[in-house]
Amino acid sequence: EVQLVESGGGLVQPGRSLRLSCAASGFTFDDYGMHWVRQAPGKALEWVAGISWNSGSTGYADSVKGRITVSRDNAKNSLYLQMNSLRTEDTALYYCAKGIWSTTVGPFDYWGQGTLVTVSS
Amino acid sequence: QSALTQPASVSGSPGQSITISCTGTSSDVGGYNYVSWYQQHPDKAPKLMIYDVSNRPSGVSNRFSGSKSGNTASLTISGLQAEDEADYYCSSYTSSSTYVFGSGTKVTVL
Repeated sequence: EVQLVESGGGLVQPGRSLRLSCAASGFTFDDYGMHWVRQAPGKALEWVAGISWNSGSTGYADSVKGRITVSRDNAKNSLYLQMNSLRTEDTALYYCAKGIWSTTVGPFDYWGQGTLVTVSS
Repeated sequence: QSALTQPASVSGSPGQSITISCTGTSSDVGGYNYVSWYQQHPDKAPKLMIYDVSNRPSGVSNRFSGSKSGNTASLTISGLQAEDEADYYCSSYTSSSTYVFGSGTKVTVL
């Protein structure tokens, strides 16, 4: 059974940093691209970042480019999201999602339950 | 990258068919066959319902179907059931090598 478990969310002040993690199990992690998608309270889904199977390719939404870095550790079956210079508009539930292909192209067939990030002073 | 445009709400009676539209541009929906649809029940993670415009993942009911014409993709739910009441989001790959989601549609079963 595919499982994606996010962690690392919490309350953080504007301008500070936070690192999210996603522990994957139930599939061959290094065969697939992985993504982060967020959802602000009561709002639509927003793709944040994606990374290919071997970290050779990454992509970022314009709203986070330059402030956020996606990475993965295939030996640990883990996905990460380093978020710097956080803004109040980054407040959202952050989902880890598995791509159906090895690249950053492809829809997301499994999702975690999300970790909540709240940016507030 | 602007969100894809979806109607805010669509409703239908049990057994009826409904269609949700998703309008983008030639840089996303119109330029690639990488349109997907997600169902999200309240306080739950999204679920992939359709990918690559019209493909259904294993386990998804054949009451769900997808299509595309030009810059507009559509999701049709036939034989509407109470459990289909949820939010639905379209998504597309873009020419910037990113993804964009739609604004979301709330489906109500009357």
